[in-house]
This record gives sequence, C-alpha cells and structure tokens, in this order.
Amino acid sequence: EPEVTQTPSHQVTQMGQEVILRCVPISNHLYFYWYRQILGQKVEFLVSFYNNEISEKSEIFDDQFSVERPDGSNFTLKIRSTKLEDSAMYFCASSPDTHQETQYFGPGTRLLVL
Amino acid sequence: AQSVTQLGSHVSVSEGALVLLRCNYSSSVPPYLFWYVQYPNQGLQLLLKYTTGATLVKGINGFEAEFKKSETSFHLTKPSAHMSDAAEYFCAVMNYGGSQGNLIFGKGTKLSVKP
Repeated sequence: EPEVTQTPSHQVTQMGQEVILRCVPISNHLYFYWYRQILGQKVEFLVSFYNNEISEKSEIFDDQFSVERPDGSNFTLKIRSTKLEDSAMYFCASSPDTHQETQYFGPGTRLLVL
Repeated sequence: AQSVTQLGSHVSVSEGALVLLRCNYSSSVPPYLFWYVQYPNQGLQLLLKYTTGATLVKGINGFEAEFKKSETSFHLTKPSAHMSDAAEYFCAVMNYGGSQGNLIFGKGTKLSVKP
C-alpha cells in the first residue's frame, strides 16, 4: 500500500541553523500539508499546499518557515533559523483529489533544537 | 471556528473489555470528523471518518464511531479491547477556513490495555 515517507526520522540541530525536512507524498496525491506536534501537546496545522502554491497557513507558519515542491515527488519544509521552541515532531500529509478530506500522514521527523 | 475536545487524556481498560474514547466537537458548518491512531514512534494512521450519510461509521481494527449531531459528539468504540490497541488516539475535525481544508486535532487520549 502506498504511503507517505519522511526523512530524516530524527534531526538534531543548533539554534539558529537552517533545517530542511523532506517528505515524499503518495504519488497520485495533489494536496500536501505540514503539521507539528510539540511534545505533550496537540498536533497543530502549519501549512497546506496545492498546485505549487500555499493554500493556507497558520499563525505558527511565520517568515522563518517555507515550503517547496522542488520536483515531482518531494515536498520540503525549511526552517531558516531554528529556535528552541521549534523542537517538535513534524508530520507531512497528503490527500488525493477525489477525497481531499482524507489526509494520509507520514511517520514524522523528530526535530531537536539545542 | 471548529474545535475538538477529547475527554480523558488516559484511559485504561482490561483486555476484552469495551473501549470508549470520547470526542466532542464544535463546528459552525456540518462537520467532517476523523479518528486517527498513533502507535509508539509511528505516524498518524486514519482509523475512520465521517463526512455525510450513515452516522455510524466503521473503521479498521474493529473500531467504530457514531456521529451524534444533537450531542455534538463522535465517540470511538470497540466492543473488545486487544493488547495491540494500546496507542494514542486523536479525534479531529476538518477546518474549511481557507480554500483547502486542514485538520484540527484534539489533545489525544492514550489507551492502555491491561492483560
């Protein structure tokens, strides 16, 4: 069964460094998302992406964040200058055109900012 | 605006007992509702969803949930718990604030199953 994949599974970085989290959505899906889950807290929406554009972003998704679909398969989340409070599990999700409401999640990337 | 409340951050049941995980929602439009499960060190897996139609929806692993508009609830049940059901369960509602919906999650309920 097709699934969303994410790399790396874990990332440790120093405060102020740039990180890029990578996702490969399910191949025929058209809608893409990033969510994050700070330890012990809710899963929170960051951004949605369709047709090479951001559809919607939350208040969390400030100028330090960006997303890109650099080729036909990858979907990336970049944090330009990481802060301690960016430490979280980051989930990528994708959904198909026919059932846009059904989002399939990847296993997540655990980011630790020191 | 949409929101989700899950009652009980931890629920413990014995193997073979009924599982009941509670979820209440708030939505200004007819809601799309979801339950996801997260096993340790894994991502979120869709258990079941309600969009329209039949209010009792069946999902994977023997779980089901009933949409009750009058109670604004979408509780998750399973008649007989199995050890493998131990995980964290998240209720979510679709937020259509923008052109592309996104999910608003509850805080999650951690289910423990005792032998």
